[in-house]
Amino acid sequence: DAGVIQSPRHEVTEMGQEVTLRCKPISGHDYLFWYRQTMMRGLELLIYFNNNVPIDDSGMPEDRFSAKMPNASFSTLKIQPSEPRDSAVYFCASSFQGHGYTFGSGTRLTVV
Amino acid sequence: DQQVKQNSPSLSVQEGRISILNCDYTNSMFDYFLWYKKYPAEGPTFLISISSIKDKNEDGRFTVFLNKSAKHLSLHIVPSQPGDSAVYFCAASARAGNNRKLIWGLGTSLAVNP
Repeated sequence: DAGVIQSPRHEVTEMGQEVTLRCKPISGHDYLFWYRQTMMRGLELLIYFNNNVPIDDSGMPEDRFSAKMPNASFSTLKIQPSEPRDSAVYFCASSFQGHGYTFGSGTRLTVV
Repeated sequence: DQQVKQNSPSLSVQEGRISILNCDYTNSMFDYFLWYKKYPAEGPTFLISISSIKDKNEDGRFTVFLNKSAKHLSLHIVPSQPGDSAVYFCAASARAGNNRKLIWGLGTSLAVNP
């Protein structure tokens, strides 16, 4: 298995633009998590899904952020409109029954 | 409010010696604890975990100790190797019901010097 695959690895965008981050979880995993990492706040859980259904989105910072999981093999995190304070590394992770996560390599987002 | 605290941002150890990374938590509902290791430009990777029904779990060079009364856990690496140089994150969860949410510390950067 290739592990959790995130794309793109790096994204630089202008303030106000829409940004879409993508994640392909490990086949067979039933949980998917989106995290944001910053120096000040560390790893913050944004949202997680179980069997493609959002379970907890309390970490989504505001309405500009949305996440979808249309099927078991794909998820997106969208920011619209993007702001400079959204600059961070965004990680996707998947898990089987919630036991131990496997993280992707992350997407480094820079909003200028 | 930081529910999981790693009070040492960095630690430097000589190769072959013991590395001890500490973690404190405030939420008494936490019943499952994990340690992850992270190299630059990569996602965190799972290292070792411990359930609250245990006070020690060992896996090769890595041992995690849990002191529930003190709400404290530690990760011991013996002997430390240069390849262990990474950022180590402590994470905790309260697994009641269907909750699979992990709460993370800010990490401790470990440098193992040859």
